Amino acid sequence: DVKVTQSSRYLVKRTGEKVFLECVQDMDHENMFWYRQDPGLGLRLIYFSYDVKMKEKGDIPEGYSVSREKKERFSLILESASTNQTSMYLCASSLPHAGGQFFGPGTRLTVL
Amino acid sequence: DQQVKQNSPSLSVQEGRISILNCDYTNSMFDYFLWYKKYPAEGPTFLISISSIKDKNEDGRFTVFLNKSAKHLSLHIVPSQPGDSAVYFCAASGRAGGTSYGKLTFGQGTILTVHP
Repeated sequence: DVKVTQSSRYLVKRTGEKVFLECVQDMDHENMFWYRQDPGLGLRLIYFSYDVKMKEKGDIPEGYSVSREKKERFSLILESASTNQTSMYLCASSLPHAGGQFFGPGTRLTVL
Repeated sequence: DQQVKQNSPSLSVQEGRISILNCDYTNSMFDYFLWYKKYPAEGPTFLISISSIKDKNEDGRFTVFLNKSAKHLSLHIVPSQPGDSAVYFCAASGRAGGTSYGKLTFGQGTILTVHP
């Protein structure tokens, strides 16, 4: 059963903390993505990666960075968490140029 | 600039009736469209897709219609069931001037509630 897993389902952090969100896929997909989902705004792309050590900014990269050292793992980093980064974070993966993405269960991050 | 728009935040339907969810897009380079379904506390799951060379694709109770001239697509669910209650996102992809790397642009989502 193929899947995308995320390290935490729920996370509570304090303002200014460094936060790591981990995502692992077992489908040998080249592409991996990080989104945040907010009510009324849909899914917005933060960063994506099309190969190991390669990354591209999405629509809302400010305040975030990413790391992809291995094909199966894509990490999202909040260097200094702020309250406006409270959100649902979703990781996804796909084959190159494929239209469909497979999503993980999401991490609900609350920054106090 | 919202390139994919779902103008109805919510839709309420009686069990057994048809649910119609709508989506508009502005980027004429989009050539592949998808619908995802999302339950609370879960990630989105793929539902159905359509390529721009088609105007209709059907899968069981789900049918997606594409009107390229109007830059509009819709998802029909018939008959609707209470288990269909979820948030539905439309998404689009295309090769705007180069490889898309499989990027998707999502709409805001529509909350569908199907009443027994």
